Amino acid sequence: EIVMTQSPATLSVSPGERATLSCRASQSVGSNLAWYQQKPGQAPRLLMYGASTRATGIPARFSGSGSGTEFTLTISSLQAEDFAVYYCQWKDTFGQGTKLEIK
Amino acid sequence: QVQLVQSGAEVKKPGSSVKVSCKSSGDTFNYGISWVRQAPGQGLEWMGDIIPTFGSPNYAERFRGRVTITADTSTTTVYMELSSLRSQDTAVYFCARERTTQGAHLDYWGQGTLVTVSS
Repeated sequence: EIVMTQSPATLSVSPGERATLSCRASQSVGSNLAWYQQKPGQAPRLLMYGASTRATGIPARFSGSGSGTEFTLTISSLQAEDFAVYYCQWKDTFGQGTKLEIK
Repeated sequence: QVQLVQSGAEVKKPGSSVKVSCKSSGDTFNYGISWVRQAPGQGLEWMGDIIPTFGSPNYAERFRGRVTITADTSTTTVYMELSSLRSQDTAVYFCARERTTQGAHLDYWGQGTLVTVSS
């Protein structure tokens, strides 16, 4: 069973700064990783798939990288609407989430 | 335009069952539909999926025996039934369309259905 581990659990960043979120797989998952954003009371929203392909309508300030077991989601210049919880996913397994909060 | 519209909130007694529906429109029924749940304040948990045109569901091991996912192609609706409910099943249940290009991912989501299990 592959386990997805996200770090940190909580990340405090100021608006306009860069945020870097990590996701680690316990075994190689190739490039088959997705990222989601979830705001309170809402369904998750697909951000990235294939580790680095932005989903439809996702702003260019979101980027994904990595392969194998180490993956990164970067938000280049945080906007107010970006503060949320972020999840990574491989097949039927989600990471536990990273809460991105305003510093 | 793809839309997934779920049935309304439910309150159930422990030991009973709940059946949540997910009405789809647009280009959905040729793809898999997954069910994902989220307990209060917790993360996302995949429960199972079905490709409606094929009809064979897959279930997460921890739910096998308690969950049943079915599809009605005539109404383009997918159902998730969870039995032997306990308080720990209190959660928001989401359906979502699956894509498999460049790895499995869920690109459209229903609005979620809150299921509360309480005596």
